Amino acid sequence: GENVEQHPSTLSVQEGDSAVIKCTYSDSASNYFPWYKQELGKGPQLIIDIRSNVGEKKDQRIAVTLNKTAKHFSLHITETQPEDSAVYFCAAPDMRFGAGTRLTVKP
Amino acid sequence: DTAVSQTPKYLVTQMGNDKSIKCEQNLGHDTMYWYKQDSKKFLKIMFSYNNKELIINETVPNRFSPKSPDKAHLNLHINSLELGDSAVYFCASSQGTGAFFGQGTRLTVV
Repeated sequence: GENVEQHPSTLSVQEGDSAVIKCTYSDSASNYFPWYKQELGKGPQLIIDIRSNVGEKKDQRIAVTLNKTAKHFSLHITETQPEDSAVYFCAAPDMRFGAGTRLTVKP
Repeated sequence: DTAVSQTPKYLVTQMGNDKSIKCEQNLGHDTMYWYKQDSKKFLKIMFSYNNKELIINETVPNRFSPKSPDKAHLNLHINSLELGDSAVYFCASSQGTGAFFGQGTRLTVV
């Protein structure tokens, strides 16, 4: 199956700053790249996704960028708020997940 | 209505017992999954079914057996439970794109 590597494993930012989480993948045929947010005590929830025919997608304060040449995709969160604190996961098209990034937004 | 529901939410059992976790989705999705999440939050895929047919069977002990009576249900049976099976188990479903997850079943083996 597809391998996805996710970095960093932990990320701490001040409220209002931006946060970036990156994932690299191995299969150049991969064509779908989702990001999930998992809050404490809950299941992961899809927050944004991108297909390989576009380079960037935005939804309010979150965006995902895709670099097919380098085989990586990134989650960008701008103007972070304390409620953005959670564990974020990228996933491969076959639903194998990255190792997760614990984001902490300090008020 | 809950899209993906798992029962039970909590399960505490002794080593050596056999237990089942049930999962149902009302989204009409063709694909369902089981994941194991350990204490470090790593989310490992265990099984994936598409229209009742097994398509992903990761390297998990054969004490774990999924059963899909229809495409809306994917149950997980675990035989001879061990301490290392303690984790949160998530069911999920998808239809070609992102998945919807259940709320998880916290299994504690004592």
